[in-house]
Amino acid sequence: DGGITQSPKYLFRKEGQNVTLSCEQNLNHDAMYWYRQDPGQGLRLIYYSQIVNDFQKGDIAEGYSVSREKKESFPLTVTSAQKNPTAFYLCASKRQGLNQPQHFGDGTRLSIL
Amino acid sequence: AQSVTQPDIHITVSEGASLELRCNYSYGATPYLFWYVQSPGQGLQLLLKYFSGDTLVQGIKGFEAEFKRSQSSFNLRKPSVHWSDAAEYFCAVGADTDKLIFGTGTRLQVFP
Repeated sequence: DGGITQSPKYLFRKEGQNVTLSCEQNLNHDAMYWYRQDPGQGLRLIYYSQIVNDFQKGDIAEGYSVSREKKESFPLTVTSAQKNPTAFYLCASKRQGLNQPQHFGDGTRLSIL
Repeated sequence: AQSVTQPDIHITVSEGASLELRCNYSYGATPYLFWYVQSPGQGLQLLLKYFSGDTLVQGIKGFEAEFKRSQSSFNLRKPSVHWSDAAEYFCAVGADTDKLIFGTGTRLQVFP
């Protein structure tokens, strides 16, 4: 079955440590997205990529980095510069076209040790 | 700038009752509108979408939504709620940069 796989489901970060969240899709979608979800704030866009080897900052990119070396993969690194990383992180992908919906993975919950 | 407002943070209904979740958007052109549902600890699942044509759109799980341009609204409805509908619901508008702008969500609680 086609879908989006996020791993791990739970992740713990120590102070000063970088961690990487994985997002893989086998839907042959061109565009991929990373969101951060905090209680009562909905989804906020961190980074997005519409094509391989290209990505753009979203609304809250500071303290995060991404890469898009393959169409299927869009990993997110939470760096030590992100002082409040505890949140639920969601990855999404979609076909090109404004009327195409985004499809979501099941998320990764990141916590501070 | 595009924006989406979901005025109700939390709604409680009895099982079998009808449901309407409100969504208002701000967007200059013809909007692309979506409703998603999220169960605790899960990702978002698409319920339905609107981008043109009939203003009443049908979705999965018995949900429907009506696009009203004059009111800038895209409210989600269900005639009879089931206990399994308890979840968080998000309205979103598609921006012209191929991004989605999400509302802050409405949490639905269903009492037996």
